Amino acid sequence: DIQMTQSPSSLSASVGDRVTITCRASQSISSYLNWYQQKPGKAPKLLIYAASSLQSGVPSRFSGSGSGTDFTLTISSLQPEDFATYYCQQSYSTPLFTFGPGTTVDIK
Amino acid sequence: EVQLVESGGGLVQPGGSLRLSCAASGFTFSSYWMHWVRQAPGKGLVWVSRINSDGSSTSYADSVKGRFTISRDNAKNTLYLQMNSLRAEDTAVYYCAREYDFWSGYYYYYMDVWGKGTTVTVSS
Repeated sequence: DIQMTQSPSSLSASVGDRVTITCRASQSISSYLNWYQQKPGKAPKLLIYAASSLQSGVPSRFSGSGSGTDFTLTISSLQPEDFATYYCQQSYSTPLFTFGPGTTVDIK
Repeated sequence: EVQLVESGGGLVQPGGSLRLSCAASGFTFSSYWMHWVRQAPGKGLVWVSRINSDGSSTSYADSVKGRFTISRDNAKNTLYLQMNSLRAEDTAVYYCAREYDFWSGYYYYYMDVWGKGTTVTVSS
């Protein structure tokens, strides 16, 4: 089975900061990588699919990159509403849609 | 408005059973594959199960295989998760999610619509 890891597990940042979260797969998954945002008590929300495609309605400050085993989610200028937990998910080895353990972004 | 609404959660004793429902609206339910994803208290997201658009093909995480059954009624626009032999470790918020298949030379899969979740607590 493909294992997903994320780093860091948590980070503290200020409004306006550039934030980068890394996701790594245990084997190559091409571009079959999605990113989700989840706020406390809420359902996850799709941000990025196919590694770098921005979901409709998601602000352009979010971007994704990478292929193979290493991927990044970047928030170019952190906004107050961006404080949340971010999960990567692989969809290469369907039907197993494995999620990463999550990265929590909180206020410095 | 595209919407998924889960129901059926609650408190159940270990070894008991529960059936979750997910009512879909605002889209052609019968055209989409669907998923269940769960989240234990304070933990991350875990994929549970997937069903194809006509219900003829299902898949499960190893942790629930043989105990959970995913199904759907396209006439009622509803997804189900029958959970039997429940264990304390099944305690979680259960989300249903729609799978979107995006073609760009290859098919890419992602969960683009999520319900708000229903809480299952397994405890004596």
